[in-house]
Amino acid sequence: EVQLVESGGDLVQPGGSLRLSCAASGFIVSSNYMSWVRQAPGKGLEWVSIIYSGGSTHYADSVRGRLTISRDNSKNTLYLQMSSLRAEDTAVYYCARSIVGDTTDYFDHWGQGTLVTVSS
Amino acid sequence: DIQMTQSPSSLSASVGDRVTITCRASQSIRNYLNWYQQKPGKAPKLLIYAVSSLQSGVPSRFSGSGSGTDFTLTISSLQPEDFATYFCQQSYSKRTFGQGTKVEFK
Repeated sequence: EVQLVESGGDLVQPGGSLRLSCAASGFIVSSNYMSWVRQAPGKGLEWVSIIYSGGSTHYADSVRGRLTISRDNSKNTLYLQMSSLRAEDTAVYYCARSIVGDTTDYFDHWGQGTLVTVSS
Repeated sequence: DIQMTQSPSSLSASVGDRVTITCRASQSIRNYLNWYQQKPGKAPKLLIYAVSSLQSGVPSRFSGSGSGTDFTLTISSLQPEDFATYFCQQSYSKRTFGQGTKVEFK
């Protein structure tokens, strides 16, 4: 069974740092596209970052240079290193696995989310 | 970056109604379009991928159509468990979600 379990969310001051983890089971993280998607309180979904099976990465303009996606193959875990945090980064952060179809890829499994609150 | 615009932002409907939600991309995304359902406090759930392919386990009352820039999600007969928020998402260039459509009870 595919499972994704996020952890690491916390209350952090503006300008601070945090690392989120997403422990995967039932599949191999490094063989899949993996993303972070966030949702500010009462708002919609915002895609944050993706790491492809080959290791290349992409970021939303709103986080580029401050958030870094990575993975540890030995732990089958996805990470999001967050630095220079701002109030607008406050959100529930979900990790999600993508399935690559004939054309589009799509998020078929999601974690339960972890809350990051940026406030003084 | 590609922008995704959904309409309406919210709608009120009754059980048994036919519901249609539209999603427009700022440029052609071919068929790189997916739909998700989200209920309060829960992670999103995949409904439809590649415009019209139904995810396993999703009821057949959900359907999708469209191409290029204009897409539609239709619920043929709204059920009590369908009251939720729906998001479209493109994967043609990076990834972007629409702002969501909340389906509420009339």
